[in-house]
Amino acid sequence: NAGVTQTPKFQVLKTGQSMTLQCAQDMNHNSMYWYRQDPGMGLRLIYYSASEGTTDKGEVPNGYNVSRLNKREFSLRLESAAPSQTSVYFCATVGQLMNTEAFFGQGTRLTVV
Amino acid sequence: SQKIEQNSEALNIQEGKTATLTCNYTNYSPAYLQWYRQDPGRGPVFLLLIRENEKEKRKERLKVTFDTTLKQSLFHITASQPADSATYLCALSTGGFKTIFGAGTRLFVKA
Repeated sequence: NAGVTQTPKFQVLKTGQSMTLQCAQDMNHNSMYWYRQDPGMGLRLIYYSASEGTTDKGEVPNGYNVSRLNKREFSLRLESAAPSQTSVYFCATVGQLMNTEAFFGQGTRLTVV
Repeated sequence: SQKIEQNSEALNIQEGKTATLTCNYTNYSPAYLQWYRQDPGRGPVFLLLIRENEKEKRKERLKVTFDTTLKQSLFHITASQPADSATYLCALSTGGFKTIFGAGTRLFVKA
C-alpha cells in the first residue's frame, strides 16, 4: 500500500524544455492536488481535480497543465520550463469526504537552469 | 486578501518543555483548520484537524486550540522530544476543495 507516489524525485531542466510530473495514488480517493513549495512561502495550489474527468485552476496555474488520466493518476506538465518554476512539487489526495486530511507524496525537486 | 501567518523564526526549546506554535489568519472564515508536520525532503504529514465549532482537540502529546474570534490557532507539543524537531504547517479550509497553507514554523528540540 504505497499511498501517493510521485515520479521523478529529482529533475534538472534547461529553460524551454518540457516535462511531465507523474502522481499515482492507491487510496481510492476522488480529489487530487498539485502544489508547489518555495522557501518562506506556504504550499501554493497549482491545479486540482475534484473527481475523475474534472480539473480546476488553483492559485498559481500559469505555465502548467494537468491531466486526470483516471481515478488513480494526476499528472502535471510544464510545456516550456522557466527558472521561476524551480521549486519542490507535491501531489496530494483527499479522501471520500471533503473535510478530511490530505495525504502527500514525497515530492519532486525541480531545478530549471 | 486571505492570509495565514506562522512565525517564520525557528522555535528552539529544551527537551521536556512544551512547544507552542501560533497560526494567525485574516480575511478568512475557515470551516476547519489542520496542522501538518514536515520533515526535510519529505511531504507534509497530517497531525490534527479541528472544526470551527470546536475549541480544543487533543491527540497524545499534541493539543490544538482554535479561536475564531481572535482568528488564531495554537499548537502545543507537551513533553517535547528531539524527534519532534520538524517544520509544522497550519492549513485552513472553508470546506470546499481548496486549502490554504501557512509557510510553517521550524521547531528544534534540544536534548
